[in-house]
Amino acid sequence: EADIYQTPRYLVIGTGKKITLECSQTMGHDKMYWYQQDPGMELHLIHYSYGVNSTEKGDLSSESTVSRIRTEHFPLTLESARPSHTSQYLCASSGGLAGAYEQYFGPGTRLTVT
Amino acid sequence: GNSVTQMEGPVTLSEEAFLTINCTYTATGYPSLFWYVQYPGEGLQLLLKATKADDKGSNKGFEATYRKETTSFHLEKGSVQVSDSAVYFCALSDYGGSQGNLIFGKGTKLSVKP
Repeated sequence: EADIYQTPRYLVIGTGKKITLECSQTMGHDKMYWYQQDPGMELHLIHYSYGVNSTEKGDLSSESTVSRIRTEHFPLTLESARPSHTSQYLCASSGGLAGAYEQYFGPGTRLTVT
Repeated sequence: GNSVTQMEGPVTLSEEAFLTINCTYTATGYPSLFWYVQYPGEGLQLLLKATKADDKGSNKGFEATYRKETTSFHLEKGSVQVSDSAVYFCALSDYGGSQGNLIFGKGTKLSVKP
């Protein structure tokens, strides 16, 4: 079954630690995205990729980095976590067919930095 | 630039009540329009979509009609259930203005009481 996966679902970590949030999709989609969702529910695009070796920063500035070495995999890394990074992180992918552009979302990772 | 404005919540309704969540948009081209739903603790799911003017998207009893003359895509359901309690996001995708990325509204939280 085609799907999009995120691990871990929940993460509590101390300040200064390096973390990687994993995102994988089995739909063969070229486009992938990372969103940060604040407690007020609003979504902010922080990174996106249109294919292998392509990454772009989104509308919200973020200290995180991403990589896209394989089509199905789009991990997000924080080199040194801070309490201000506490948030819900959502990964999505899109097939980008003309006229459609709908995105498919993973279940999210809820990150708490203490 | 492209933008989406949806009614602020929270919205609280009794079971079997009629639901309307307003959504208006600004776009430079000919966008596709979407409604997503987010249940507690989960990622976003595509609820319905419309890709051109006068199209009606529908799913699970929800409907929305793409109105170009009023730049609107209001979500409606004739009889809500407790299981419809969730956050609803209106979104647009306009290749010309947003490179095919989705532009989301801020979300509307719906609570349905038995």
